[in-house]
Amino acid sequence: EPEVTQTPSHQVTQMGQEVILRCVPISNHLYFYWYRQILGQKVEFLVSFYNNEISEKSEIFDDQFSVERPDGSNFTLKIRSTKLEDSAMYFCASCIARAHQETQYFGPGTRLLVL
Amino acid sequence: DQQVKQNSPSLSVQEGRISILNCDYTNSMFDYFLWYKKYPAEGPTFLISISSIKDKNEDGRFTVFLNKSAKHLSLHIVPSQPGDSAVYFCAARGGTDKLIFGTGTRLQVFP
Repeated sequence: EPEVTQTPSHQVTQMGQEVILRCVPISNHLYFYWYRQILGQKVEFLVSFYNNEISEKSEIFDDQFSVERPDGSNFTLKIRSTKLEDSAMYFCASCIARAHQETQYFGPGTRLLVL
Repeated sequence: DQQVKQNSPSLSVQEGRISILNCDYTNSMFDYFLWYKKYPAEGPTFLISISSIKDKNEDGRFTVFLNKSAKHLSLHIVPSQPGDSAVYFCAARGGTDKLIFGTGTRLQVFP
């Protein structure tokens, strides 16, 4: 069964450093998303991406964040200068279409720890 | 942002009995609801969904009920199995792609 994959599974970085989280969405999916879950809190939407453009972003997704689909398979989230409060699980998701009843399928997540 | 609420942080159920997980929402624009299951160190796994034009959707042991007037939905698992032990998230969508998640309910099914 096709699945969303994410690398790395864990990342430890120093505050102020740049990190890139990688995702390979399900191959025939066209819509891509990033969510995050800070420890003990709910899963929060960050950004949606379609046709090489951001469709929607949350207030969390400030100028320190960017997304890219550098080739036909990868979808990346870059945090330019990490802060302590960026420590969280980051989940990538993909969806085949934007139709009303299409489901977003999630990857296993990347646990980011900023020291 | 408390648009989707799961008021029970945990639930403990005996194997073979019914598990009922509840979710309330405040935004009347939500028109599609999903339940995800999550094991530790894994991503949310889709379980079942329901459109706002329905009041019930069933898939095997899982049934989701939607009460639009009460802005309430519930997930029934019957019979419950030990492998169902996980955190269950309710999520809602309305007008855009983004999913709004509840805080989750940890279900423990004991023998």
